[in-house]
Amino acid sequence: AQKVTQAQTEISVVEKEDVTLDCVYETRDTTYYLFWYKQPPSGELVFLIRRNSFDEQNEISGRYSWNFQKSTSSFNFTITASQVVDSAVYFCALSVNNQGGKLIFGQGTELSVKP
Amino acid sequence: DAGVIQSPRHEVTEMGQEVTLRCKPISGHDYLFWYRQTMMRGLELLIYFNNNVPIDDSGMPEDRFSAKMPNASFSTLKIQPSEPRDSAVYFCASSLALGTLNTEAFFGQGTRLTVV
Repeated sequence: AQKVTQAQTEISVVEKEDVTLDCVYETRDTTYYLFWYKQPPSGELVFLIRRNSFDEQNEISGRYSWNFQKSTSSFNFTITASQVVDSAVYFCALSVNNQGGKLIFGQGTELSVKP
Repeated sequence: DAGVIQSPRHEVTEMGQEVTLRCKPISGHDYLFWYRQTMMRGLELLIYFNNNVPIDDSGMPEDRFSAKMPNASFSTLKIQPSEPRDSAVYFCASSLALGTLNTEAFFGQGTRLTVV
């Protein structure tokens, strides 16, 4: 069975602080995909990144970076110099091969960035 | 492309009434998913289709829920009869499978259902 755990339910930071959101996953499949989605207060789910299990390279996109470590089954997300607009619920998700975009979501981490 | 389109955006209905939620996936996508989001259970998959065929409906709560995909551009999720515990945000998503590669799922804006 697959499972995604986001142990941090809520995080509150002050603007310009760096913040890391943790994600730990479980799967027995050797081919799988990891995702991060953002859900702002308006409610939509916005895709941020996809990573496949064969690519452990870290990725940076502007103020966002992701650290994928198969050894610890973790896929952590860091926001550098956080901004108020980053306030949202962030979901980590897992899908396995040959199931299209079927996602198993973590419970989400609510990030609040205060001015 | 306009993205995944869901209707209605909001629905308020009385207990016992039939509710139908609608979804138009992104053109060319061959997977369609229905998710439900509640505070208690988070985001959970209800059912998904591949090429209009239901593949896994193990997440459908009970027989009151049914989903159809009569063609590649339209799907419905029906609840009959509705109950207050069905109140949630229902998301439709679609994705493309490229051989054995998964792509990301694109989500609609969601339908916020309130059953009173």
